[in-house]
Amino acid sequence: QVQLVQSGAEVAKPGASVRVSCKTSGYTFTAYYIHWVRQAPGQGLEWVGWINTNSSGTFYGHRFQGRVSVTRDTSVNTAYMDLSGLTPDDTAFYYCARDPIGSSSAIDYWGQGTLVTVSS
Amino acid sequence: EIVLTQFPGTLSLSPGERATLSCRASQSIASNYLAWYQQKPGQTPRLLIYAASNRATGIPDRFSGSGSGTDFTLTISRLEPEDFAMYHCQQYGDSPLTFGQGTRLEIK
Repeated sequence: QVQLVQSGAEVAKPGASVRVSCKTSGYTFTAYYIHWVRQAPGQGLEWVGWINTNSSGTFYGHRFQGRVSVTRDTSVNTAYMDLSGLTPDDTAFYYCARDPIGSSSAIDYWGQGTLVTVSS
Repeated sequence: EIVLTQFPGTLSLSPGERATLSCRASQSIASNYLAWYQQKPGQTPRLLIYAASNRATGIPDRFSGSGSGTDFTLTISRLEPEDFAMYHCQQYGDSPLTFGQGTRLEIK
């Protein structure tokens, strides 16, 4: 079955960086985009960026440009999100999610989420 | 970027009633690539509708989506107790992708 399994919770200090991983299984990794979406406690969903796992092309949300990097390793069917210059406003659950390349469908499977807490 | 505005912010209804949720875009969404998600507390979002009007796999037919261009609607024809949740719209016709702020559907 399709699974996206994320790395565990992170606690970081302001100004630091964090890496969240997303290991996938149960489908052809390179047939789907991987998106990163975050949700602060009690708030709505905010799109961070995506990676085309086939071409490795990326696109990031405007407010994250310059401090986020999304990469993938096709040998282990895993995507990564690196976020730098952390502030307390970055405290949120970060989700990876897949979306079929070249299809009209939308995000259909999500990882379980990784809580990133930024605190001094 | 395309800004999505959902209304109402909160909708209070009773089981058995009809729910109508709206999502308005600041500009036309390419190919009507508008999706609706349901999210319950402590859970990840669940895809309900994609490309404005297509039900995702396993979604009951009481959920329907309509609209085009800048105005979209999610309708739940007859509310079941399990339908009370948060609903998000998302456009994926242009990058950056964007979400609306959500509509909370609560039991009256």
